[in-house]
Amino acid sequence: SQQGEEDPQALSIQEGENATMNCSYKTSINNLQWYRQNSGRGLVHLILIRSNEREKHSGRLRVTLDTSKKSSSLLITASRAADTASYFCATDAGYGNKLVFGAGTILRVKS
Amino acid sequence: ETGVTQSPTHLIKTRGQQVTLRCSSQSGHNTVSWYQQALGQGPQFIFQYYREEENGRGNFPPRFSGLQFPNYSSELNVNALELDDSALYLCASSGRTGGLVGEAFFGQGTRLTVV
Repeated sequence: SQQGEEDPQALSIQEGENATMNCSYKTSINNLQWYRQNSGRGLVHLILIRSNEREKHSGRLRVTLDTSKKSSSLLITASRAADTASYFCATDAGYGNKLVFGAGTILRVKS
Repeated sequence: ETGVTQSPTHLIKTRGQQVTLRCSSQSGHNTVSWYQQALGQGPQFIFQYYREEENGRGNFPPRFSGLQFPNYSSELNVNALELDDSALYLCASSGRTGGLVGEAFFGQGTRLTVV
């Protein structure tokens, strides 16, 4: 079973616009991670946010975490066509990277 | 390029057969996890190996088994294949220092089709 649920399931935007994806989860976590997947291949790690952190930045990425609402959001600013991919949130309840993934958001950036 | 390599990249098997998938972890990583990703879904955790011992298992039947070798590479074996086993199988490696596990690096996956 999957713990996280991403919202929206699919998102289509123009190049240069911002993209926001949300993730909700059910149980307590140690950390939450966001991954990108191109064309059904391997996952690329984007960012990890720990349960005692509220916001984290990495380049054009901004992740927030609200443990009281059991939710996280990923913001991609100034999107590019190369950002077109599926994005997954994954939670780690312990310390072992036994990740529980959501179903993902499909992002399409039109040039 | 994560340094995690999986083989083969694609595989077609017949229902009832057995399959072995392989994963070479990134240098220095002693923890390997396996995930199954069905089409249109997120990956699901199968099991994890740490220093050659199983270190946690997801909701998968015993016909899914694994091994980790002294060089930390790993195998996933699936017996009595079923059509629903058709999926992308992903391997992830991570290092463990002082009890803390670092970032997971994923391979490109093995696409298994059961016919």
